[in-house]
Amino acid sequence: SQQGEEDPQALSIQEGENATMNCSYKTSINNLQWYRQNSGRGLVHLILIRSNEREKHSGRLRVTLDTSKKSSSLLITASRAADTASYFCATGLPGASGSRLTFGEGTQLTVNP
Amino acid sequence: DAGITQSPRHKVTETGTPVTLRCHQTENHRYMYWYRQDPGHGLRLIHYSYGVKDTDKGEVSDGYSVSRSKTEDFLLTLESATSSQTSVYFCAISGPPNTEAFFGQGTRLTVV
Repeated sequence: SQQGEEDPQALSIQEGENATMNCSYKTSINNLQWYRQNSGRGLVHLILIRSNEREKHSGRLRVTLDTSKKSSSLLITASRAADTASYFCATGLPGASGSRLTFGEGTQLTVNP
Repeated sequence: DAGITQSPRHKVTETGTPVTLRCHQTENHRYMYWYRQDPGHGLRLIHYSYGVKDTDKGEVSDGYSVSRSKTEDFLLTLESATSSQTSVYFCAISGPPNTEAFFGQGTRLTVV
C-alpha cells in the first residue's frame, strides 16, 4: 500500500501564482523527500526534510513537515510554465536500508502561460 | 543525470520470454534500486541492493530477480515476462543512508 498520498491529484494555475501540494503518510519516517518528473523523463530530487525539521527552503521551494499530523506540503512560489510536471512525495522509513523510498501517486501540476 | 545509464530505453517482448534490464552507475554509490511506475500506483520498489552480491526484496518483487556482481551494475531480470509486467522501470542510486536518490531515465517495457 502507498505510504504517501498527495493532494490534489491535479492542479492547474497561471504563471506567477503559487502552487501548494500536500502529502500525507501513515507511519513514522526518517525523512520525507519531494521529486519532480517531467513527462517521459526520470525523477529529479527537489528537497529532503528530516523528521526533526519543520521547514526547509530551496530557491522558490518551501517544504513543511508536521510529524504529529503525518503530513507535508510543498509550496512553489511565482510559478513558471517550466514548473509543469508531476510532483511526488516519498518517505524514508526508520531502519530502512539506504534510501529505500515509498512514493505517493503524485500531483500533476500545470502552469499556464 | 548523476551518472546513471539504463539500457535498453525501450523494449517490446513476448509473453513468456526472459528479459534483462541493466542499470550502470559511475558514481560508486553503495545503494541501487529498481522501481516500476504504473498509472495510479506511483513508483513501487521491486528490489534493491546494499552492496556487491547483497540484495533484498521490495514491495513488488514477485516475478523479478536481480543481481549485482559489480558496484556499478545492477541487473533486473524477468524470468518469464507477463503482460502485468508492462511498465516503466526506473533504476535509482543513493549514497549514505537517508540521503537523496538519483534516478535514471527509465526503461519502457511492453509485454505483448
